[in-house]
Order: sequence, then structure tokens, then C-alpha cells
Amino acid sequence: DAGVTQSPTHLIKTRGQHVTLRCSPISGHKSVSWYQQVLGQGPQFIFQYYEKEERGRGNFPDRFSARQFPNYSSELNVNALLLGDSALYLCASSGSLNTEAFFGQGTRLTVV
Amino acid sequence: GQNIDQPTEMTATEGAIVQINCTYQTSGFNGLFWYQQHAGEAPTFLSYNVLDGLEEKGRFSSFLSRSKGYSYLLLKELQMKDSASYLCAVSLNQAGTALIFGKGTTLSVSS
Repeated sequence: DAGVTQSPTHLIKTRGQHVTLRCSPISGHKSVSWYQQVLGQGPQFIFQYYEKEERGRGNFPDRFSARQFPNYSSELNVNALLLGDSALYLCASSGSLNTEAFFGQGTRLTVV
Repeated sequence: GQNIDQPTEMTATEGAIVQINCTYQTSGFNGLFWYQQHAGEAPTFLSYNVLDGLEEKGRFSSFLSRSKGYSYLLLKELQMKDSASYLCAVSLNQAGTALIFGKGTTLSVSS
């Protein structure tokens, strides 16, 4: 079975631009979460979706938004990019309540 | 607010035992996770505790005390490949993927 897949793996954007990151969960997993990890820090929680509904939101500005599709894949959108948005963006999926989250390899976003 | 503390760095030698501590103060608690993350890679699951006590899994064990807001990860028979960042994370809700992470402990294992 394929694990959590994210695309693209690397991305370079200019300040002020918009970016869309994509995530496909493990087959059968209905919960998807997004995290931002800057170098030397632990991942920071951005959003959680379960059964296509937003179930949690971290302390990120409204420039960050996400959605989950009927096939449980998900997109993370970031508008008006800032230099500080440069980070590894991780997607995690989980099968059911109180089970471990499996992480994808991440998308490395560089804003110049 | 949410606060999870763990040491920034630890060093140990091959074959030794190391204990990585984690203390937490969070608005909710639905379990504590430990993840391992090698440089440039995704975090991988090591252990999960939701009840007090010790969970053992091969060379790795994890302990939880909910009353003290405290957990530790114990690594035995250290190997060079155990050099990595170890992340302590608290799950805030039942779906299990809204995790609040600590900053991670970088473990360096030398021969």
C-alpha cells in the first residue's frame, strides 16, 4: 500500500504569490492534518480535517486555508506568501479515532 | 496556551541507554506520541500512551504520568542509526492527528 503522498516535493515561490500543496492520505484514512516545520523546530499544527469537515485549526493567519475532497485527499493553500512561510509542510493521515498519524515526506517551500 | 518541553540535545554512546524526558501543559489531552525524525525525512511513529504506565516495544519504551504531565522515551542498546530528532507530541482531540509537538530532542550516538 502506498503511504501518504505529497506534491510537489520542492517548490520555490516569490513573496506575495499564492501556493497550493497537495496530499493523498493512506487508502481508507479519513483524517488529514497539515503541519509546518521550520528548521530546528518541531512541526506546528495548521489544520485538521476529518470526514471532509474542519475539526481543528492551529494559530495561523487567515492566509492559510485548506480543504478535504470526497476521496479524502486534501489541499493546503497559502496566499500572499511571506519569507517566513519558508518551511517543510507535512501532511499526516490517520485511520480512525486515537490511532497514530502517518506522515508524508513533506513539501519543502522556499519563498524568495 | 499549549506548552511541551523537552531537552534540545543529548549525546550517548553505542550500546548505552538514554532517557528523553517530556513535560506538557495543554488545554486537552487525548494521548501522547513519540516520533523519530531523521534529518530531511518525515517523522515516523515510535509509541503512543494514553493511560499511565510503561509501554514497551523492542528497544524502545515510553512512560506516561498524566497527573504530572510527564512522559519519557527510553532507548536501549543504542545504535548509530538512532541518531535523530525525537519529537514528543500531545493529541488534543479524538481524531488523533491534531498534534501539538515539542521542539524535539536531537540525539547524537557516537561509537
